[in-house]
Amino acid sequence: NAGVTQTPKFQVLKTGQSMTLQCAQDMNHNSMYWYRQDPGMGLRLIYYSASEGTTDKGEVPNGYNVSRLNKREFSLRLESAAPSQTSVYFCASRKGTGNSYEQYFGPGTRLTVT
Amino acid sequence: AQRVTQPEKLLSVFKGAPVELKCNYSYSGSPELFWYVQYSRQRLQLLLRHISRESIKGFTADLNKGETSFHLKKPFAQEEDSAMYYCALRYSGNTPLVFGKGTRLSVIA
Repeated sequence: NAGVTQTPKFQVLKTGQSMTLQCAQDMNHNSMYWYRQDPGMGLRLIYYSASEGTTDKGEVPNGYNVSRLNKREFSLRLESAAPSQTSVYFCASRKGTGNSYEQYFGPGTRLTVT
Repeated sequence: AQRVTQPEKLLSVFKGAPVELKCNYSYSGSPELFWYVQYSRQRLQLLLRHISRESIKGFTADLNKGETSFHLKKPFAQEEDSAMYYCALRYSGNTPLVFGKGTRLSVIA
């Protein structure tokens, strides 16, 4: 099992450009999440999908859209990138709702917007 | 709103010294509390959760509902413990984790 995978690993965009960050998990997990990690701010939730076919906003959704393409894949789209979106983006997944279910993270995508 | 507070951005200790990473939360119910760790150039991984009451890599954490705290402790720090540590809270079932801002632990040889 590869676990949670993310592409690309690194990306540089110019202000106003668009891009999609891809995330996939091969653990048959129901829930998937997108976080951004900024120095001094910790991890902040952008969007999440509790189950296939549903998506919900997190703490910092402005400037982003998401698509739960199927049970495996959850993409994050920046329609018009801004320097404030320079960050490290982490995707995560979780199997279910019980206490025993751990949240697994991908390796991250480091995005720079100039 | 649910909140997780980690008051120290950086904690430096000498090898062999005790370590305590502080975490306080604000939530009136019965939350699930976790500690995640991120080693240099690696992904976040679960270190321990309050419900398991286990010791991982010598670390322990006790949920104190009276003080709304979940401090992470280790009696003797090792150099390989140097990492970023995040306290996280889940307040019910399938809700997402809420993270603190993290504490960078630096263990000095």
